[in-house]
Amino acid sequence: EVQLLESGGGLVQPGGSLRLSCAASGFTFSNYAMSWVRQAPGKGPEWVSAISDSRGSTYYADSVKGRFTISRDNSKNTLYLQMNGLRAEDTAVYYCAKTGRGFGDYHWFDCWGQGTLVTVSS
Amino acid sequence: EIVLTQSPASLSLSPGERAALSCRASQNIKNYLVWYQQKPGQAPRLLIYDSSTRATGIPARFSGSGSGTDFTLTISSLEPEDFAVYYCQHRSSWPLTFGGGTRVEI
Repeated sequence: EVQLLESGGGLVQPGGSLRLSCAASGFTFSNYAMSWVRQAPGKGPEWVSAISDSRGSTYYADSVKGRFTISRDNSKNTLYLQMNGLRAEDTAVYYCAKTGRGFGDYHWFDCWGQGTLVTVSS
Repeated sequence: EIVLTQSPASLSLSPGERAALSCRASQNIKNYLVWYQQKPGQAPRLLIYDSSTRATGIPARFSGSGSGTDFTLTISSLEPEDFAVYYCQHRSSWPLTFGGGTRVEI
């Protein structure tokens, strides 16, 4: 069974940092591109960042470019999101999401984690 | 950035009725359109990808159509569990974007 388990969320002050992790299981992690998608309270999903399979190419939404860094450790089947310079508008549930097909840019998301809440507030 | 506009924002229907949800893209995205269903407190659930391909385990009452800029998600006969919020997403180019959602309510 494919599973994604996020961790690392919490309350942080504006300007602070957090590192989110997503532990993957049930599939060959290194074969799949992965994304982070966030959802602010009462709002729709917003794609944040993606990383390709083993090639490691990265992509970011303009709203987080220069502040967030996505990475992966294929030996640990884990996806990361380093978030620096956090702002109130970054408050959201952050989901990691698996793309629907391996070995390429098939950016539909067929499996999502349960999400981890990030709250940016003083 | 490609903007996806979903309409209507909400839809009030009864079980057994047909629902047609629209998603319009601000530029040509070929058939690179995805549909999700989301219920309160849950992550989105993949329904349809590449405009018309049902994801694994999705019932046949869900169908997708369209290409270019205009897309439709149709639920042929609403079941009680289908009352939820539906989002479209494109995968045509970076950045990926989602539509604002359509709430299907009883």
